[in-house]
Amino acid sequence: AQRVTQPEKLLSVFKGAPVELKCNYSYSGSPELFWYVQYSRQRLQLLLRHISRESIKGFTADLNKGETSFHLKKPFAQEEDSAMYYCALLKAAGNKLTFGGGTRVLVKP
Amino acid sequence: GAGVSQSPSNKVTEKGKDVELRCDPISGHTALYWYRQSLGQGLEFLIYFQGNSAPDKSGLPSDRFSAERTGGSVSTLTIQRTQQEDSAVYLCASSLARDYTQYFGPGTRLTVL
Repeated sequence: AQRVTQPEKLLSVFKGAPVELKCNYSYSGSPELFWYVQYSRQRLQLLLRHISRESIKGFTADLNKGETSFHLKKPFAQEEDSAMYYCALLKAAGNKLTFGGGTRVLVKP
Repeated sequence: GAGVSQSPSNKVTEKGKDVELRCDPISGHTALYWYRQSLGQGLEFLIYFQGNSAPDKSGLPSDRFSAERTGGSVSTLTIQRTQQEDSAVYLCASSLARDYTQYFGPGTRLTVL
């Protein structure tokens, strides 16, 4: 069965510093990977998906099939980036998302 | 346009009672999902509906849980004989089709006393 691991429960960084959220997955096929974000008192929303190859709000993520990782990065964190971040996997021809445990990011002024 | 809506936003019930949670997906979305978000288990899949196909119930934790989707739109998740371990936030999501982006509702926070 597929699994998604986010090793850090909490990341605390200062404003303007780089931030990297780690995500590792285990799945034998070709998955699709996502990052979802949940701001305080807001609903879970898509931040980015790997097939889009977009940069959203300054965040990027690269799928590394060799290392089975999909780490999320931003070079200069902003206070508004403080939120809960979830990495998720959709297996090929699948329907359900498998989520990691989430990483809470706190950006200090 | 309107996003996924869920009702009620909060539900407090007593152990042993039945509860019904409602989800209104985005209009035109054929796929609908239920997830559960709890402290101990994180975000976990419960059930998936796609059009008129048989639902994927593989994530339902016990036979006390059931869900239906009427007319390909609104869905109801029913939990019978609630237990304290059912306390969680129940999230609904919908998407255009199976592998399109899933859009989440605000969730229903269920507390079983």
